[in-house]
Amino acid sequence: EVQLVESGGGLVKPGGSLRLSCAASGFTFSSYGMNWVRQAPGKGLEWVSYISSSSDYTFYADSVKGRFTISRDNAKNSLYLQMNSLSAEDTAVYYCARERVVTIYGVDYWGQGTLVTVSS
Amino acid sequence: NVLTQSPGTLSLSPGERATLSCRASQSVSSSYLAWYQQKPGQAPRLLIYGASSRATGIPDRFSGSGSGTDFTLTISRLEPEDFAVYYCQQYGNSPRLTFGGGTKVEIK
Repeated sequence: EVQLVESGGGLVKPGGSLRLSCAASGFTFSSYGMNWVRQAPGKGLEWVSYISSSSDYTFYADSVKGRFTISRDNAKNSLYLQMNSLSAEDTAVYYCARERVVTIYGVDYWGQGTLVTVSS
Repeated sequence: NVLTQSPGTLSLSPGERATLSCRASQSVSSSYLAWYQQKPGQAPRLLIYGASSRATGIPDRFSGSGSGTDFTLTISRLEPEDFAVYYCQQYGNSPRLTFGGGTKVEIK
């Protein structure tokens, strides 16, 4: 069974940093590109960042470029999101999402999310 | 590319037909258009990919159609568990995933 379990969310002050983790299991993690998608309270879905299966390339939303860094450790079946210079606009549930580009071209599995709250 | 979903909210009764629209500002390959369902407190769930193919385990009352800039998600007869928010999504390079603003299907 595919499982994605996020952790690392919490309350952080504006300007602070946080590192999110996503533990993957039930599939060959190193074969899949991965995304972070966030959802501000009461709002829609916003794509944040993507990393290819072997970390060859990464992409970021303009809203987080230069502040967030996505990475992965295929030996540990883990995905990460380092978030710096956080502001209130970054308050959201952050989802780890497995991407399928064969046929689906979207997300076939999502984690349950971890809440990041940026507030003084 | 901007995806605009309409209506923002759809108020219907169980058993009725729901028609949700997703309009793109630029043409989208049908292969790259997906739909998701999200219930309160839950992660989204993939419903439709390739504009019209149902994901594994999705009942056949859900159907997708469309091409170019206009796509539609239809729920033929609403079941109580179908009241949720629905998002369309386009796959690209960067941004990798572009989501519409969502349509909430609520009980009338």
